[in-house]
Amino acid sequence: EVQLVESGGGLVQPGGSLKLSCAVSGFTFSGSVMHWVRQAAGKGLEWVGRITSKSDDYATAYAASVKGRFAISRDDSKNTTYLQMNSLKTEDTAMYYCTRGGGPWGQGTLVTVSS
Amino acid sequence: QTVVTQEPSFSVSPGGAVTLTCGLTSGSVSTSHYSGWYKQTPGQAPRTLIYNTNIRSSGVPDRFSGSILGNKAALTITGAQADDESDYYCVLYVGSGISVFGGGTKLTVL
Repeated sequence: EVQLVESGGGLVQPGGSLKLSCAVSGFTFSGSVMHWVRQAAGKGLEWVGRITSKSDDYATAYAASVKGRFAISRDDSKNTTYLQMNSLKTEDTAMYYCTRGGGPWGQGTLVTVSS
Repeated sequence: QTVVTQEPSFSVSPGGAVTLTCGLTSGSVSTSHYSGWYKQTPGQAPRTLIYNTNIRSSGVPDRFSGSILGNKAALTITGAQADDESDYYCVLYVGSGISVFGGGTKLTVL
């Protein structure tokens, strides 16, 4: 069974940091491009960024809204991708999802940035 | 700044067909944008329907099909059912590793 399980969300103050994880099972993680997508309450989906596989040098790309503050990484030995979020702003409050390109999604983890 | 456009809302009769579109405020959509389509019901995670323009994701019925129509990506749903009532989002690859979602279409089946 294919599963993506996000974790690490929670309440953080503006300017703070948080690291999300997405643990994967049921498909070949090492060869997959992994994306992070977020959705603020009542709003649409926003693409956050992606990381390619080792064969493409683990290349990362980010939306302009998070570039320079967020960083995506992966550990193929643990079938896990990570989203490190720094200098968090209130507008980063959202449900964060991981997804394989063209494939399944996790159920999301909620990040709330508030004082 | 690249803006991806979708119809805010659309309605279809049960058993009918509907085509949702996904465009760019500047330029035409082609297969080089590797368009994708996602279905989301309130409180649930999105589900991938179509990727790479016209490839159905695993388990997606063939009532759903993707294509390029004119200068836009398109999602066509045939034989509409009550549980097709959802929000539908498209995504386009715009280069340099970056993708952009459209604002979503709220589909009503009535």
